[in-house]
Parts: sequence; structure tokens; C-alpha cells
Amino acid sequence: QSALTQPPSASGSPGQSVTISCTGTSSDIGRHNYVSWYVQYPDKAPKLLIYDVSRRPSGVPDRFSGSKSGSTASLTVSGLQAEDEADYYCSAYVGSRALIGTGTKVTVL
Amino acid sequence: EVQLLESGGGLVQPGGSLRLSCAASGFTFKNYAMNWVRQAPGKGLEWVSGISASDYITFYSDSVKGRFTISRDNSEKTLYLQMDSLRADDAAIYYCSKDLFLGDFHYYYMDVWGKGTTVTVAS
Repeated sequence: QSALTQPPSASGSPGQSVTISCTGTSSDIGRHNYVSWYVQYPDKAPKLLIYDVSRRPSGVPDRFSGSKSGSTASLTVSGLQAEDEADYYCSAYVGSRALIGTGTKVTVL
Repeated sequence: EVQLLESGGGLVQPGGSLRLSCAASGFTFKNYAMNWVRQAPGKGLEWVSGISASDYITFYSDSVKGRFTISRDNSEKTLYLQMDSLRADDAAIYYCSKDLFLGDFHYYYMDVWGKGTTVTVAS
């Protein structure tokens, strides 16, 4: 598998929630909980949002939450704000390597 | 301030070589696994390579294995990526990143990133 599968786009109005899926297999997401999420703003480096499926690094608002069911991980952004408009990527540990998702562009309507 | 600063990018012909560097500051470099991640123009992120903190075990994506070599100099707090036999599809912004947790196990939770260095492969 060359990449985890994410929907190309997702959108929501300010204040709403948006959930992004990240589909893998029993060899990656379905095998363990080493799943992380990143946000990338235009022309910026990525930033870690979530690790261990659902843990937030210091400084990340609790509007961002992660979960996993089987081989699919999900990122939910609650209380959507204009500043959340960005690209979001999931990532998983796979056999001593990292596999990154195809990316989802979130648009705030 | 924790910081990573990449350098060494530029224009190279197909089949050529380039060596990227990543200078680390603000944290104990020798304690953390490090990575290279790239992003082709208008495309998504792709993990390229990783190296453990102190036993220097290396890992590569299938797309670069056998052509790229990751290394580190813990005394100089610098990460390297030697890129040989470059192809057009290697053109990208190359980011170096640090793992969140210290130790040799590579979780690939990348909590600090540099601003990237651009590699262009063209004749």
C-alpha cells in the first residue's frame, strides 16, 4: 500500500463539525494505535495535531479529536473556525516505516 | 527555541546527486529519531526516510530505497540525506522532522518540522 486513503475534500460552516476519515488495512491502522494527524496551512510546514490515535500535543485545542475503528481512523474538528481551513493528513506506523494519507482539504464555508 | 533548518536544495540534472542537511537546535538532538518527508509541487506529503536516535538504524520508503542514504552526526546536531540517481519525480520540498518521543523506537509522531528545502530535477 502506497498511502492511506482520505477523502480529497471536506467542508463545513463555522461552528459546525467536520470529520475526516483515514482508511488503512489490517497491516497498518488495524494493527496498532500508532496513528497521528497533521495539519498543513498553505506554504507552511505540517504541524502535529494528534498522536496515539487520540492524544493531543500541548497547545492543540480540544476542538481537535481523533478516534479509530478497525482499520479506519478519524479526525473530528468541532466548532469549525475560518482558521481551520487547511490540508489535513493522517499517518500510521507500518513495519518500521511511516505511511502518510493522501490528504484532505478542509474548506470553511 | 526548538528549531530545524534544512539546506542543500537546488537544481540538479536527472541522474545527478544532491546532499541535504538539517541543522537542529534547542533540543538534545542525539536523543530523538529523525525523518525526511517530502512534498512534490501541488501534491501530498510522502515520508521518505528515518533514522533512530543513537543506534543509527535507518529506514526508507520503497520509492527511494537504494538511491537515498540518511545519516546523522550527533556531535554536530545535523541530519543528512544523500540523494543519488535523482529522477524527475524526486522533485519536491524536503522537510526534516523530529520524533515526539525520545529514544530509539520510531513512532513517527513528528512534532517539529523545518521550513523545507526545494529540490528541482530537470535538464
